[in-house]
Amino acid sequence: QTVVTQEPSFSVSPGGTVTLTCGLSSASVSTNYYPIWYQQTPGQAPRTLIYNTNTRSSGVPDRFSGSILGNKAALTITGAQADDESDYYCVLYMGSGISVIGGGTKLTVL
Amino acid sequence: EVQLVQSGAEVKKPGESLKISCKGSGYNFTNDWIGWVRQKPGKGLEWMGIIFPSDSGTRYSPSFRGQVTISVDKSISTAYLQWSSLKASDTAMYYCARRLGFGEPTDYWGQGTLVTVSS
Repeated sequence: QTVVTQEPSFSVSPGGTVTLTCGLSSASVSTNYYPIWYQQTPGQAPRTLIYNTNTRSSGVPDRFSGSILGNKAALTITGAQADDESDYYCVLYMGSGISVIGGGTKLTVL
Repeated sequence: EVQLVQSGAEVKKPGESLKISCKGSGYNFTNDWIGWVRQKPGKGLEWMGIIFPSDSGTRYSPSFRGQVTISVDKSISTAYLQWSSLKASDTAMYYCARRLGFGEPTDYWGQGTLVTVSS
């Protein structure tokens, strides 16, 4: 069973920069996995921030950026704001139409 | 305006069957994969599976294959998620979403359906 790994939690100061990562238990993440990043606030459906590694969805502020760092996908928030406090999920495409979602990172802005 | 509207919350007993729905509007329903994501209380998101309404082709996560059935009625632009015998561990919020597979950007989500299974 493929496991997508994310930091369980992270903390950033307002105005600071944070990088969340997304790895695989048994392989390196590349653009071939078409990494997607979701943001979810409590009680709400998820929202797609980034797709295809580094493409921002419509309406997503440019302080959010996606990349591949080493052997992982990464989501960087530059100039974090209070309303960025959310859960962030990475999604990797495994082929044959099937994707796997990581365990999520709870981001605290304080 | 694209919308996915899910059926209302359900309370069921273990062993009962259930079918929840997700009705699409504002776009050509048959042309986009639509799928389901589970979120247990206080836990993360889990990708369950997807269906292509045009030909009812499906893809399931290995974790959910055989546990649920995803189907569609394209005549009424509605996708379904079905259980034949619920377990307490099926208690969760279930979201439908458009373009959930093949690495596509998921662009529209339903509001979620809370399923509670308790004796």
